[in-house]
Amino acid sequence: LAKTTQPISMDSYEGQEVNITCSHNNIATNDYITWYQQFPSQGPRFIIQGYKTKVTNEVASLFIPADRKSSTLSLPRVSLSDTAVYYCLVGDAANNAGNMLTFGGGTRLMVKP
Amino acid sequence: DVKVTQSSRYLVKRTGEKVFLECVQDMDHENMFWYRQDPGLGLRLIYFSYDVKMKEKGDIPEGYSVSREKKERFSLILESASTNQTSMYLCASSYPNSAIYGYTFGSGTRLTVV
Repeated sequence: LAKTTQPISMDSYEGQEVNITCSHNNIATNDYITWYQQFPSQGPRFIIQGYKTKVTNEVASLFIPADRKSSTLSLPRVSLSDTAVYYCLVGDAANNAGNMLTFGGGTRLMVKP
Repeated sequence: DVKVTQSSRYLVKRTGEKVFLECVQDMDHENMFWYRQDPGLGLRLIYFSYDVKMKEKGDIPEGYSVSREKKERFSLILESASTNQTSMYLCASSYPNSAIYGYTFGSGTRLTVV
């Protein structure tokens, strides 16, 4: 399983764009990159996933350079409710029994008024 | 809306008690997982199951066992609860291709062992 490295914490202010970068230097050809968001006292929830280039949904954008050794989660115009822990995961897309993802420590984002 | 339901939101148990944490999913997922989450340690995998009656140890299985008699239900068992098992326990489920379809988590059970 590819290991990921991301900042432990980040601070931002309401209305700003937040970019959280994750390093995954030993990502494999079959690996996909997925980001989860976790609010206090709740389980993590899937927010975005990608393989290469750029992916955008109603919550965030995910930028993946050509070498795929890193990825950046971009949250546009954050609000106080975006305060959460964000996890970057890399996982094999093979349809194997027991295929699982490994969670690292995540990035604790604090959005201030 | 798809769901992973954990039977209890909060539990308080005494040291030495046998504790059952129940998890049910309604998505017909093959994989089910039990994690614990502690401040500063992130999510750590206890056990997972990829089919009925199948189980695999995760990173921290000591002091725990699991049961999966039906596809939709995955139980975590603390054979003799200890204070160091006070934690938030999270259940998750997924299709076999977790990297593509992702995990769906329950809301968690906060267990306190006194």
